[in-house]
Amino acid sequence: AQKVTQAQTEISVVEKEDVTLDCVYETRDTTYYLFWYKQPPSGELVFLIRRNSFDEQNEISGRYSWNFQKSTSSFNFTITASQVVDSAVYFCALTRNTDKLIFGTGTRLQVFP
Amino acid sequence: ETGVTQTPRHLVMGMTNKKSLKCEQHLGHNAMYWYKQSAKKPLELMFVYNFKEQTENNSVPSRFSPECPNSSHLFLHLHTLQPEDSALYLCASSQDLIQPQHFGDGTRLSIL
Repeated sequence: AQKVTQAQTEISVVEKEDVTLDCVYETRDTTYYLFWYKQPPSGELVFLIRRNSFDEQNEISGRYSWNFQKSTSSFNFTITASQVVDSAVYFCALTRNTDKLIFGTGTRLQVFP
Repeated sequence: ETGVTQTPRHLVMGMTNKKSLKCEQHLGHNAMYWYKQSAKKPLELMFVYNFKEQTENNSVPSRFSPECPNSSHLFLHLHTLQPEDSALYLCASSQDLIQPQHFGDGTRLSIL
């Protein structure tokens, strides 16, 4: 069975702090894809990144970085120097080579000025 | 107009009403999806259409009826809903079944 766990329900930080959102996944497949989505208060889900199971390179995009560790089945997301606009719910998701995205329950990030 | 557009943004209906949610995408994608997002629960996939054919029905009650007349439009017809159906309904589209999904703003549905 596939499962995504985001143990942190809610995180609060002050602007300019770094914050890491954890994501742990379970799958028996050797080929799979991991995603992070951001859901701002307006409601729409915004795609942030997709990573396939054969690519363990960490990725950095501006203030965002992702750490994919197959050994611990984790795909953590770090925001450096957080800003108020980063306040949102962040979802980690998993899929095999099919259409069904399995989402975690999300982590609500609040960044205070 | 680009992206995934959902209408209406908000809908309040009684349990005996019939209404439809609409989703439209202008991204040239071939796959479209309906998700349900309830408070404190993971996003639940409801239906998937690929090239207008339904490929997934995730054990959704028959009071929800999807329709995909073409690759750009997706509807969710609602009838005799229950209070527990109150949720945010999100539509998404993707180029194919493993490409990243692009989401609409959602329809906030409240059942009285």
